[in-house]
Amino acid sequence: GNSVTQMEGPVTLSEEAFLTINCTYTATGYPSLFWYVQYPGEGLQLLLKATKADDKGSNKGFEATYRKETTSFHLEKGSVQVSDSAVYFCALGNQGGKLIFGQGTELSVKP
Amino acid sequence: SQTIHQWPATLVQPVGSPLSLECTVEGTSNPNLYWYRQAAGRGLQLLFYSVGIGQISSEVPQNLSASRPQDRQFILSSKKLLLSDSGFYLCALKTGVGTEAFFGQGTRLTVV
Repeated sequence: GNSVTQMEGPVTLSEEAFLTINCTYTATGYPSLFWYVQYPGEGLQLLLKATKADDKGSNKGFEATYRKETTSFHLEKGSVQVSDSAVYFCALGNQGGKLIFGQGTELSVKP
Repeated sequence: SQTIHQWPATLVQPVGSPLSLECTVEGTSNPNLYWYRQAAGRGLQLLFYSVGIGQISSEVPQNLSASRPQDRQFILSSKKLLLSDSGFYLCALKTGVGTEAFFGQGTRLTVV
C-alpha cells in the first residue's frame, strides 16, 4: 500500500541553522511527492513538489529531491528563520487519485 | 482559480446526533475531492476520496460516510456521532495527477 513516514517533532533550531526533515514513502507505481506547510492558525499550503524521480522541488529557500532508490523526499533549508516556524507535512499522490500525508513535523525556530 | 467552501467553521454536537458537513468547489470541473481529519497535535488522516460523481473510496472503517451527489459537492455524514469523531475536518481538491491540493478552511467538530 501507500504510506508516508516523517521524522517526529518537534524540531527546535536556532535562527540561521540548517534544517533537514526526513520523509520516506512506500508506494506502487510512480507517485508525485509534495511538501505542505501549515503556519499557526492557517490552512495547509503547498511548499514544493516533485513529480518524477530525481526532480528537485524548491521554494522560499526550501528544497527536496525525489529519490526513488531510497524512496525519500527529505526537506532541507540552509538557513532557517523565525518565520519558518510551522508544521511541515510530506505527502504522496498516486495515479489513482489517492493523496496521503505524513503525520507532520513541527518546527520551532528561536531567535 | 479554484475555491473550496466548507461550512460551518465550528460545530458542537452531542454524542449520538447526526452529522452532515458539506464541501462545495468552484472554478474547476471533475476534480478529485478529499475529506481529511486532523486530530489535535497530529497529522492528516485521509477519510474518503472521490474521483467522480458517486465514486467514493473509504480509507478507514469508521463511523462516517461520504457522498458525492454532484460534481462539485462532497458531503461527510454520520448517523450517530461518537466522542472520538471530534477533530478538525478538511475538504480538499486536486485537478489531476501531480497537481497540488487545495484545502478548505476546515470545520472544527467537538462532540460532547
